[in-house]
Amino acid sequence: AQKITQTQPGMFVQEKEAVTLDCTYDTSDPSYGLFWYKQPSSGEMIFLIYQGSYDQQNATEGRYSLNFQKARKSANLVISASQLGDSAMYFCAMREPSGGKLIFGQGTELSVKP
Amino acid sequence: KAGVTQTPRYLIKTRGQQVTLSCSPISGHRSVSWYQQTPGQGLQFLFEYFSETQRNKGNFPGRFSGRQFSNSRSEMNVSTLELGDSALYLCASSLPRQGQETQYFGPGTRLLVL
Repeated sequence: AQKITQTQPGMFVQEKEAVTLDCTYDTSDPSYGLFWYKQPSSGEMIFLIYQGSYDQQNATEGRYSLNFQKARKSANLVISASQLGDSAMYFCAMREPSGGKLIFGQGTELSVKP
Repeated sequence: KAGVTQTPRYLIKTRGQQVTLSCSPISGHRSVSWYQQTPGQGLQFLFEYFSETQRNKGNFPGRFSGRQFSNSRSEMNVSTLELGDSALYLCASSLPRQGQETQYFGPGTRLLVL
């Protein structure tokens, strides 16, 4: 069965510093997609970044980058130059091959200190 | 382009009642997925609809049902509400297009069952 594990329930980072949020996954399917979402206290899930299992390069979107290590089955999110507005829950998710179902990790609560 | 919209945003019901939640996807998106988020269970997949057909279903009792209309708008219904149904219900839409199929989420409906 597919599974996503986020081992950091909470993290603190100083404003303007970089932070890495960990995510490991388990699947036997060769084709899969990995996503990171941000959920502020308002509740809306905001899409941040996507990595496909066949992508050769690590995905980047502005201050977000995904450190994809396929052999280790890890897909860590790196946020550079943290901002106060980055304080939120962050979820790693994997898409099943059939397409419509996302499996989520338990999330990491990130707090950015001024 | 307008994002995913969900109505109502907040809802209070009593045990035994039923509730219908609505989701309007991003224009052009044909796939709609529903998720339940609770503090104890995290984010769990309910079902996915594509072209008015249920394509995927999560592990929820039959009290949870959904449908999709020809304009891709979707509704989910929960009958005979239980206290444990109190949750944030999130709807997400995607194209879907082979390759990425990123799901974009709405703001959610917060349901409280008393």
